[in-house]
Amino acid sequence: VQLQESGPGLVKPSQTLSLTCSVSGWSISSGGHYWSWIRQHPGKGLEWIGYIYYSGSTYYNPSLKSRITISVDRSKNQFSLKLSSVTAADTAVYYCARALVYYSSGYYGYFDSWGQGTLVTVSS
Amino acid sequence: EIVLTQSPGTLSLSPGERATLSCRASQSVASNYLAWYQQKPGRAPRLLIYGASTRATGIPDRFSGSGSGTDFTLTIRRLEPDDFAVYYCQQYGGSPANTFGLGTKLEMK
Repeated sequence: VQLQESGPGLVKPSQTLSLTCSVSGWSISSGGHYWSWIRQHPGKGLEWIGYIYYSGSTYYNPSLKSRITISVDRSKNQFSLKLSSVTAADTAVYYCARALVYYSSGYYGYFDSWGQGTLVTVSS
Repeated sequence: EIVLTQSPGTLSLSPGERATLSCRASQSVASNYLAWYQQKPGRAPRLLIYGASTRATGIPDRFSGSGSGTDFTLTIRRLEPDDFAVYYCQQYGGSPANTFGLGTKLEMK
């Protein structure tokens, strides 16, 4: 499986960040995996943003939930992230990844395949 | 939220030595749902271990994970030059979100 992020590398403050992840070598519709977004602030650790199942079910990090929308386009084998009302604090490398998810009072999982990542800078 | 504390922050070793990296959780990780990743500069993380001790596909047996509850360890035997990187642990057993540790940098002495 290969994942590839795409989208603008520069977003203005207060606007919406939009990224797409194209998946090849694996069908999102085959099920069994969730499709995820994770970000890494410059020189910092990793932060899970959320994921989506092929059916459209989504699970988001509560700390970002009010600003996130993750959607899936099964016909294109792609999934997308929208993050609204961005600030400089949203500047990060954004990764898409495939997840194996388990239920433990919620849906949580680990990430077995990653895209190369794309840097998004929020600046006017 | 489960907070993961990784230690040491930086570990300086030589090729051929053994590395022992620690990941401590602020509360017990359900079902030992703990993963380890390796990240090299400018690259995406790579899954090494899941379920605390199961190696991911293609990961050499020099890498091993152990632990349960709140204390987990990643051990790398016979370090090779390619192993020098940043290592992250991640828990996926507790609410309200998947969380990662801040990483241990393994550097060549």
